Amino acid sequence: AQRVTQPEKLLSVFKGAPVELKCNYSYSGSPELFWYVQYSRQRLQLLLRHISRESIKGFTADLNKGETSFHLKKPFAQEEDSAMYYCAPPYNNAGNMLTFGGGTRLMVKP
Amino acid sequence: DTGVSQNPRHKITKRGQNVTFRCDPISEHNRLYWYRQTLGQGPEFLTYFQNEAQLEKSRLLSDRFSAERPKGSFSTLEIQRTEQGDSAMYLCASSLEQGGKNGYTFGSGTRLTVV
Repeated sequence: AQRVTQPEKLLSVFKGAPVELKCNYSYSGSPELFWYVQYSRQRLQLLLRHISRESIKGFTADLNKGETSFHLKKPFAQEEDSAMYYCAPPYNNAGNMLTFGGGTRLMVKP
Repeated sequence: DTGVSQNPRHKITKRGQNVTFRCDPISEHNRLYWYRQTLGQGPEFLTYFQNEAQLEKSRLLSDRFSAERPKGSFSTLEIQRTEQGDSAMYLCASSLEQGGKNGYTFGSGTRLTVV
């Protein structure tokens, strides 16, 4: 299985501060990566896909193949962004499933 | 269709007992996935179905674990002779596209506690 590393278990910022949640992966092919989010007492849900190059809730993520990174960024954090965030690259080269990082808990303080 | 449904929500069992969980995916999704999540960890892949065919199994899926999707609709995950290490949240997800290109839809999970 591919490896994915989210080095920060907890990231605490003040409202309005920039946020960067780090993700590094090991994948030899051309990956399709995702960020998933889990708000308190809710199901895990898709936040964004790198292939769509979209911005969701102000978050963006840039795939850096050279550094094998897919960091999630937001210029101005909001309290409602507080949640668990999981980076998810493909599980293996077949690309049929995803593997998930250990997650980063983002706490946005007022 | 209200999304992916998992039953039961919680299960407490004694060590050595067998347990079975059920997952009802979104009806038009032909791909179904089982994951396990322990405290402080991300979801770990267990197994994957495309329609009724079980196409991938991880090494985490020991011979005490078995999963089925008999008619390509709902799926069951059975754990035989449960151990305390099996205590976890068991998540089911479904998708329409390979690899979940448009995203997995997750259920709320079944929390298993083995005492």
